[in-house]
Amino acid sequence: DQQVKQNSPSLSVQEGRISILNCDYTNSMFDYFLWYKKYPAEGPTFLISISSIKDKNEDGRFTVFLNKSAKHLSLHIVPSQPGDSAVYFCAAGDYGQNFVFGPGTRLSVLP
Amino acid sequence: DTGVSQNPRHKITKRGQNVTFRCDPISEHNRLYWYRQTLGQGPEFLTYFQNEAQLEKSRLLSDRFSAERPKGSFSTLEIQRTEQGDSAMYLCASSLAMDRGNIQYFGAGTRLSVL
Repeated sequence: DQQVKQNSPSLSVQEGRISILNCDYTNSMFDYFLWYKKYPAEGPTFLISISSIKDKNEDGRFTVFLNKSAKHLSLHIVPSQPGDSAVYFCAAGDYGQNFVFGPGTRLSVLP
Repeated sequence: DTGVSQNPRHKITKRGQNVTFRCDPISEHNRLYWYRQTLGQGPEFLTYFQNEAQLEKSRLLSDRFSAERPKGSFSTLEIQRTEQGDSAMYLCASSLAMDRGNIQYFGAGTRLSVL
């Protein structure tokens, strides 16, 4: 039973446009959410996080939105750059505990 | 300190052999995690330590797997009698338990191939 789902295995976006990556979770106890980015031959790199007391968190070109009632979060990248091409993992958990990762979405930003 | 370090980066072994991986966390981090990642999946939690104490183990961690963190610094993950199904990327991460949100920082992983 996958507690964290990323239903789009891949996404292609034109450079300069918005990339929207989606994530759904099933466990209502989750109250902290993170996005990681992974390049080939490297470990996942922390990108941005959000706690359940917020519905939006922004860091430069990256914004994460959380809809608790729908158990859904999304990562927006604006504007998308070719260097953003990577696999993006959504992770969910509760403070101080372990995280459950989704299967990832491969983003390709086309020049 | 440049981050989480894992050795070796690649390991090829024959079925039935034992293998050991090492992880050196970020120096001030008191938590250390082991994950396994297979193709097309996200990292799956195996176990974690707070200092030298192993606080949680996943049901994925069969009795052929053992992890240690003897002095609360580096950790080792040993797999005994390897099977082809053990072929995966083994990731280590560390975090500071007092850090709100417990952001985990990952190493580059050890890729295990069991022939």
